[in-house]
Amino acid sequence: SSELTQDPAVSVALGQTVRITCQGDSLRSYYASWYQQKPGQAPVLVIYGKNNRPSGIPDRFSGSSSGNTASLTITGAQAEDEADYYCNSRDSSGNHLNWVFGGGTKLTVL
Amino acid sequence: QVTLRESGPALVKPTQTLTLTCTFSGFSLSTSGMCVSWIRQPPGKALEWLALIDWDDDKYYSTSLKTRLTISKDTSKNQVVLTMTNMDPVDTATYYCAHLIVGAGAFDYWGQGTLVTVSS
Repeated sequence: SSELTQDPAVSVALGQTVRITCQGDSLRSYYASWYQQKPGQAPVLVIYGKNNRPSGIPDRFSGSSSGNTASLTITGAQAEDEADYYCNSRDSSGNHLNWVFGGGTKLTVL
Repeated sequence: QVTLRESGPALVKPTQTLTLTCTFSGFSLSTSGMCVSWIRQPPGKALEWLALIDWDDDKYYSTSLKTRLTISKDTSKNQVVLTMTNMDPVDTATYYCAHLIVGAGAFDYWGQGTLVTVSS
C-alpha cells in the first residue's frame, strides 16, 4: 500500500505562519484530510477535501495540494495550535481500496 | 449530534482474539454514504487505519492486517464490531472508531478511544 510522509517536527513563532506538508502517491488521486491531536485526546478533523473546514475550526487553518504533496497552513499560529498533526487519504494502489495516515508532525508554538 | 463510543477489554493475552464494539448515535449505518472505521494508535506512535464498513456492508481492510481482522455491523443496534485474532504485544494501542461520509472522504467524528494492552 501507499505511504504518506510527514516531517516529524515543525516549530513556529507565536502569530506567524507555518506550513505542514504530506507527501505520497495517493495524493495524486485523492485529497488529504488533516487531523489535530492533543495529548490524551482523540484526533480532531481540521481540513478535508479541496480546502474545507468543519464547523468550529478557525479560519486560520487552510489546506492545499499540488501533485503528490498536500499542505496544511496555519496563518497566525496560536498557542493552542501546539499539537500533533496527521494527514490521511484514501489509497487505491494494487486495486485494493484502503486509507492511510502519515507519520504525524509535532507542531511547537514558540 | 454524532457520537461514537468504543468498548472492549482493556487487557488481552498474547494469541487471544480481541473483540471491540463501537456504539454510535446521530446517524444510521443503513443510510447511503455512511461508514464506520477502526483506527489504532500505539503509545507515542502514529495513527494506523485498520478497517472500514460502509452502509452497503462493503468491507475494507488494512493490507498488512487483513488476515487478522473482521469488521461487521448491527444496524438495528447502531453498532460496529471489530475482531482481531492472534493478538501480540505490538498490538498494544488505543483503538478508535470513527465516522466517515463517502462524499467528504474524511473521518469527521471520533470516539474517545479505548486502550488495549496485550500482555501475559
